[in-house]
Amino acid sequence: DAGVIQSPRHEVTEMGQEVTLRCKPISGHNSLFWYRQTMMRGLELLIYFNNNVPIDDSGMPEDRFSAKMPNASFSTLKIQPSEPRDSAVYFCASSLFPATYEQYFGPGTRLTVT
Amino acid sequence: GQQVMQIPQYQHVQEGEDFTTYCNSSTTLSNIQWYKQRPGGHPVFLIQLVKSGEVKKQKRLTFQFGEAKKNSSLHITATQTTDVGTYFCAGSGAGSYQLTFGKGTKLSVIP
Repeated sequence: DAGVIQSPRHEVTEMGQEVTLRCKPISGHNSLFWYRQTMMRGLELLIYFNNNVPIDDSGMPEDRFSAKMPNASFSTLKIQPSEPRDSAVYFCASSLFPATYEQYFGPGTRLTVT
Repeated sequence: GQQVMQIPQYQHVQEGEDFTTYCNSSTTLSNIQWYKQRPGGHPVFLIQLVKSGEVKKQKRLTFQFGEAKKNSSLHITATQTTDVGTYFCAGSGAGSYQLTFGKGTKLSVIP
């Protein structure tokens, strides 16, 4: 199994630009999570999908952030417009079941907004 | 909301010394998981504990879940340079889908 796949691995963009991060979960996993990691705030859950349906997006910072999961094998996290404070590593993780099974993290996307 | 506190934030040890990180929850947990993140890498699952007072071992690593299911610890015996990284605990409450991660303990091992 290839594991969780994320793209791009690195993204450098200017403030105000739209950024789209992509994730392919492990086949057969029905739960997908988007996390953001910074030195100051640690690992924060942004949104959780179960069977392609967003269950909890309370961690999404603000309306500039949106996430979709059009099918079981693909999800996107979009930031529009991006700001320097959005700079972080964004991880996608998938799991067989939300909290009672281990989460498999992707390699992450390091986002830098200048 | 549920909070998971982890201490210490940083730990520097000489190779061969032992290391322990502690995790405390503000609420009773249904299970707790431990992850390791190498520098520049992503969190990788190590183990899950679900029973009160449970102790599990993986080679030099010993994981413990408190009797009240509100705290946990990870102990590494005789650290090696390969143990370098940040260790996270993550807990979930009963009926919750969400794992709440601690801030992690960053371990440095001096050869």
